[in-house]
Amino acid sequence: QQQVKQSPQSLIVQKGGISIINCAYENTAFDYFPWYQQFPGKGPALLIAIRPDVSEKKEGRFTISFNKSAKQFSLHIMDSQPGDSATYFCAAVTDSNYQLIWGAGTKLIIKP
Amino acid sequence: DAGVIQSPRHEVTEMGQEVTLRCKPISGHNSLFWYRQTMMRGLELLIYFNNNVPIDDSGMPEDRFSAKMPNASFSTLKIQPSEPRDSAVYFCASSLALGSYTGELFFGEGSRLTVL
Repeated sequence: QQQVKQSPQSLIVQKGGISIINCAYENTAFDYFPWYQQFPGKGPALLIAIRPDVSEKKEGRFTISFNKSAKQFSLHIMDSQPGDSATYFCAAVTDSNYQLIWGAGTKLIIKP
Repeated sequence: DAGVIQSPRHEVTEMGQEVTLRCKPISGHNSLFWYRQTMMRGLELLIYFNNNVPIDDSGMPEDRFSAKMPNASFSTLKIQPSEPRDSAVYFCASSLALGSYTGELFFGEGSRLTVL
């Protein structure tokens, strides 16, 4: 019940295309869903986050879509660029807990 | 802002040797996390400190692993004796916890450990 399932494991998208990464969870107590971006040789860095009281959050080319009833959320990267090539992790946590539950990660490659 | 600083960035050692990884969190942050990252297991939380006190060390693999935080600006993760299966990237992260909300994690660049 504490798991966050992330898919796909890897993704190749042409430059300018839309990249979509999906995550699903079971624990309805989760109330904060961040996405982290990790470049090779670096630590993960917060990209964008959402709370379940909204269905969508957009920051530039990055959008989180949240479906509370289905217990799913996804990251959309519009107009994907080679500089977006990285590993993306979804995560979930409750405000009363410190421990992020991490997805397994998606390695995204944007082809020029 | 300097960010979270970890050292060494790379460590190659032989099985049985002691390894010490170091972390300087962001000034003012009161929570510190040690993570281990491998291809097989992804990101694993090893230990969590809040206000320099270890709150949860249930992720520490075994007694060979120990972590300390003697003050708000320094933490160490020690492996003694090291084994080849300890080879991984070890990350330190800090955050500003407000009440029960942990907030955004700021990660260091990691320490890549190879145990031969």
